[in-house]
Amino acid sequence: QVQLVESGGGVAQPGGSLRLSCAASGFTFNNHGIHWVRQAPGKGLEWVAVISYDASLKYFAESVKGRFTISRDNSKNTLWLQMNWLGVEDTAVYYCARDMGISWTRGYFDYWGQGTLVTVSS
Amino acid sequence: EVVLTQSPATLSLSPGERVTLSCRASQSVSSYLAWYQQKPGQAPRLLIYDASNRATGIPARFSGSGSGTDFTLTISSLEPEDFAVYYCQQHSNWPPLTFGGGTKVEIK
Repeated sequence: QVQLVESGGGVAQPGGSLRLSCAASGFTFNNHGIHWVRQAPGKGLEWVAVISYDASLKYFAESVKGRFTISRDNSKNTLWLQMNWLGVEDTAVYYCARDMGISWTRGYFDYWGQGTLVTVSS
Repeated sequence: EVVLTQSPATLSLSPGERVTLSCRASQSVSSYLAWYQQKPGQAPRLLIYDASNRATGIPARFSGSGSGTDFTLTISSLEPEDFAVYYCQQHSNWPPLTFGGGTKVEIK
């Protein structure tokens, strides 16, 4: 069955960095784009970033552009979100989510991981 | 950026009732709208994509309709497990992908 497992969350200081990982299994990883979506405590969902199935396209929300990068290794069925210059507003549960499109990115999410909590605090 | 507005923010209902949730877009998104269900402590689950297509494994009591700027998610008869928060999301004009603020369906 399709599984996405996030890791790497934790506490970071303002201005600090964290690197989140998302390990995928149960599907052909290199056929799907993968997104990161976050949810601040008690708030709604916010799309963060996407990487296409072949890593040729990467898009970011304005709120993280220039601070976050996204990458993937299709040989390891893993992707990463490198988060730099963290601010308190980045505190959230971060989910990786599979794009439903096959070999193209449709822009909606058919499978989600369980999420990893990132807390930015001094 | 497409802004999605969901209404109402909260609905208090009883099991067996029919539910209609609304999502309005600030500009046309054609039929490129999805609905998700989220229960406390869980990740969201895709219910509907392309406005009216049920995702794999979603019960037939869930249906979606609409196009352009006005969309509806209907639950024909509420089951106890349907009490949750529902989000709409557009995938027409992106990036960015955007979500509505959510509607909480709670037990009356």
